[in-house]
Amino acid sequence: GENVEQHPSTLSVQEGDSAVIKCTYSDSASNYFPWYKQELGKGPQLIIDIRSNVGEKKDQRIAVTLNKTAKHFSLHITETQPEDSAVYFCAASIQDSGYSTLTFGKGTMLLVSP
Amino acid sequence: DAGVIQSPRHEVTEMGQEVTLRCKPISGHDYLFWYRQTMMRGLELLIYFNNNVPIDDSGMPEDRFSAKMPNASFSTLKIQPSEPRDSAVYFCASSFAGGGQPQHFGDGTRLSIL
Repeated sequence: GENVEQHPSTLSVQEGDSAVIKCTYSDSASNYFPWYKQELGKGPQLIIDIRSNVGEKKDQRIAVTLNKTAKHFSLHITETQPEDSAVYFCAASIQDSGYSTLTFGKGTMLLVSP
Repeated sequence: DAGVIQSPRHEVTEMGQEVTLRCKPISGHDYLFWYRQTMMRGLELLIYFNNNVPIDDSGMPEDRFSAKMPNASFSTLKIQPSEPRDSAVYFCASSFAGGGQPQHFGDGTRLSIL
C-alpha cells in the first residue's frame, strides 16, 4: 500500500519568514495530494490540494509543488504569520471512481514566532 | 453550511465500559470515514462507508471496535469493552464521490479510558 513520509516533524520560523514542508510517497499511481492544517482542538482542515496533471498551485501565501518523477510534493508558506502555527499534514490518494482512501504523513508542527 | 458534526466532544470513562461515538456527515456526501489520531501512530483510517455500506474495515484494530451507518446522515463507532489503550482522538470525515475529492473532518471526540 501507499506510504507517505513527511519532513520535518517540527519547524520553527520567525514571523515573515518562509516555511517549507516536504513529503514523499511510494505508490506511483497516486494522483491526488491534499494538505491539511490542524489547529489545537480542531479537526484537520483542507488548505490546498494538487492533482498529478499540475506541477504547481498557489493560493495567496500558500503554494504546493509536485514532482511525479521523484514522487515528492512540498508545501510552501510565504510571509508566515503567528496564526499559521499549527500541525500540517500531507496526504496522497488515487483519484478513482470506486475507492478512495487518503494516506497521511505523520504531520509537521509549525511554530511561527512573532 | 454545517460541517461534519461529532458528539460527544469529550468522553471520559472507565475501562470495560461501552463507548459510542457519533457522527453526522455533510449532507449529500456519500463517503464517510472514521479515523483515530494518537501521537505515536498519527492519523489512522479505521473504516469507511460508501452510500452507508462499509467498504473497508481493515483498519479496525480489534473485534471490540464496530461501526454502523444506518442512514446517510448518521454513523456510530462503538468500542466494547473499552481499554486504556483506546484513548485517542477519533475523527469522522465525509466527502463526495470518493477518489480525488477532499475529505471534510469534524472536530473529533477526545476519548480517555481510565
